[in-house]
Amino acid sequence: AQSVSQHNHHVILSEAASLELGCNYSYGGTVNLFWYVQYPGQHLQLLLKYFSGDPLVKGIKGFEAEFIKSKFSFNLRKPSVQWSDTAEYFCAVNDNYGQNFVFGPGTRLSVLP
Amino acid sequence: GAGVSQSPSNKVTEKGKDVELRCDPISGHTALYWYRQRLGQGLEFLIYFQGNSAPDKSGLPSDRFSAERTGESVSTLTIQRTQQEDSAVYLCASSLEWGQGTFGSGTRLTVV
Repeated sequence: AQSVSQHNHHVILSEAASLELGCNYSYGGTVNLFWYVQYPGQHLQLLLKYFSGDPLVKGIKGFEAEFIKSKFSFNLRKPSVQWSDTAEYFCAVNDNYGQNFVFGPGTRLSVLP
Repeated sequence: GAGVSQSPSNKVTEKGKDVELRCDPISGHTALYWYRQRLGQGLEFLIYFQGNSAPDKSGLPSDRFSAERTGESVSTLTIQRTQQEDSAVYLCASSLEWGQGTFGSGTRLTVV
């Protein structure tokens, strides 16, 4: 069965620090990969997605992620975080048929002003 | 239970019929969300319940969609007069007021 792991449960950074959130998945076939953000009291919003093509994906709000197929990874990065990036971040994967949609457990990011 | 439970896991229905999807959240989770994912797309927000507050229905795509939640317990999502474009995986998530969201395994709806 597919699974998604996120390396950190809670990350605490100061403003302007660089961010990298790890995501690894287990699935042998072709996958679609997503990062979602959930701000306190709000629903999930899509940050970025990878379906095919350039493995370096640019998303909203200055986020990017790199798909490394050999490592089954899709890590999220941002060069300089802001206080407003405080939220929970979810990595998700589904197979190329749109089935088996699986979320990681989430990483809470706290950015200190 | 330990996780968010959704039922049925799969549902095939004829166009025009009504369907009801169920979500059992984690006990104590005040927030409950419904999303759907259509083939090749990301998640689409549908509706959000938070405690006893009025739900945020801003994501419901049409008046054929409705959802109920009694207190902080079970929620049902109802789709009336189903159409083929309603075919999707419907995901439920629950959380404490701040994050810690947990997703169910989804209901795959196929309208034929």
